[in-house]
Amino acid sequence: DAGVIQSPRHEVTEMGQEVTLRCKPISGHDYLFWYRQTMMRGLELLIYFNNNVPIDDSGMPEDRFSAKMPNASFSTLKIQPSEPRDSAVYFCASRNRDSGGRAFFGQGTRLTVV
Amino acid sequence: QQQVKQSPQSLIVQKGGISIINCAYENTAFDYFPWYQQFPGKGPALLIAIRPDVSEKKEGRFTISFNKSAKQFSLHIMDSQPGDSATYFCAASRRGSTLGRLYFGRGTQLTVWP
Repeated sequence: DAGVIQSPRHEVTEMGQEVTLRCKPISGHDYLFWYRQTMMRGLELLIYFNNNVPIDDSGMPEDRFSAKMPNASFSTLKIQPSEPRDSAVYFCASRNRDSGGRAFFGQGTRLTVV
Repeated sequence: QQQVKQSPQSLIVQKGGISIINCAYENTAFDYFPWYQQFPGKGPALLIAIRPDVSEKKEGRFTISFNKSAKQFSLHIMDSQPGDSATYFCAASRRGSTLGRLYFGRGTQLTVWP
């Protein structure tokens, strides 16, 4: 298995633009998580899905952030409009209910908003 | 509210020394305690994990010590090597629960000097 695949790896955009981050979880995993990592705040959980249904989006910072999981093999995190303070590394992770809690992370998307 | 508290924030150890990172949790429903290791430019990856029915788990140079009554657990890295230099995250979750999220500590940046 190729693991969790995220795209793009790097994204530089101007303030006010829409940004879409993509994630393909490991096949068979029924949980998908979106995290944001910054030096100041560490790893923050933004939202997670179980069987494609959003379970907890309390970590989504503002209405500018939205996430979807239209099927078991694809998820997106969208920021519209983007702001410089959104600059961070965004990770997608997936796990299987039966995996004992172990989550597998993607390589991350480094987002820079200028 | 931080469900898992981790210390220290950074740690510098001489090659061959012992690195110790500590974590504490509040929720007694947690029953899975993993440690993740993250190298620069990569996503976190599972290093070692423990369940509360044992007090210690060892894998090579890495050992988790678990104190259920104190609600604390720690990672010990014996004979620390420069290649161990990374950020380490402790976490906690409830296995097999519909509430499948991992709660992460803030991370410890470990530097091992040669």
